[in-house]
Amino acid sequence: QSVLTQPPSVSAAPGQKVTISCSGSSSNIGNNYVSWYQQLPGTAPKLLIYNNNKRPSGIPDRFSGSKSGTSATLGITGLQTGDEADYYCATWDSSLSAGRVFGGGTKLTVL
Amino acid sequence: QVQLQESGPGLVKPSGTLSLTCAVSGGSVSSSHWWTWVRQPPGKGLEWIGDIYHSGTTNFNPSLKSRVIISIDKPKNQFSLNLNSVTAADTAVYYCARVVDLSGWFFDYWGQGTLVTVSS
Repeated sequence: QSVLTQPPSVSAAPGQKVTISCSGSSSNIGNNYVSWYQQLPGTAPKLLIYNNNKRPSGIPDRFSGSKSGTSATLGITGLQTGDEADYYCATWDSSLSAGRVFGGGTKLTVL
Repeated sequence: QVQLQESGPGLVKPSGTLSLTCAVSGGSVSSSHWWTWVRQPPGKGLEWIGDIYHSGTTNFNPSLKSRVIISIDKPKNQFSLNLNSVTAADTAVYYCARVVDLSGWFFDYWGQGTLVTVSS
C-alpha cells in the first residue's frame, strides 16, 4: 500500500487527452516536489516530469505536470498508441515511512 | 551520456544474501549525486530500496533498512546492494539509478534492470 494514491488504470482514444492523478498528504506531496516516470512494457522507467512541472530535454510538450496542495497531476495530450505504459509519481515522504516514495502506478490504455 | 548496468546472480536461495553491483559509465560516482536502488516485483509497482552518496552517507527505506547494505567503490566507479535474509517476497527486477537534486530530487538515468528470483 503506497502513501501516494494513483488510479490503477485510465484509458482514452488516440488524439485525446488524459490526466493521471497522484494523491498524497502534507508529509509528502504537500511539502515536496513531484516527479513522474513512464515505464513502457519490459523496460526501465523513464523520467517524464521533474520538480512538479519541468520536462527534461527530449520529452515532448504533450506531457505536462502540475501540483496543487497534496495532489499532483500528469497530463498527456494528443495520445498516441506508443504512450501505452505504466506511469508513476514519486516524491519524498517525511512521515514514519520516510524516504523516496512512489505511487502505485497507473496503466494507460490507448483504445 | 551516463549509463548504468546492473550485474549479479539471477537466483538466490531463501535466507541467503542478494548481491548486485551497478557499474556507472559516462559519469562518476564521486559526482554530486546520490546513487540509488529501486525494485519491482513481477506485475507490481516500484519500490525504493535506498541510496548512497560518494561520502558513504546512505538513506534506506525503513521497511528494508534492517536487511540492506549499500556501498560505493569509487576506484571501480560502481556501487553495490546487499540484501540479506531474502524470501520469495524479494523476487523482483532490481534497478539502479542516479538521483539528481535540483531543489526537488528525481531519478534521471536508470539501468536496464536485472531480475533476481529467490527460490530453492
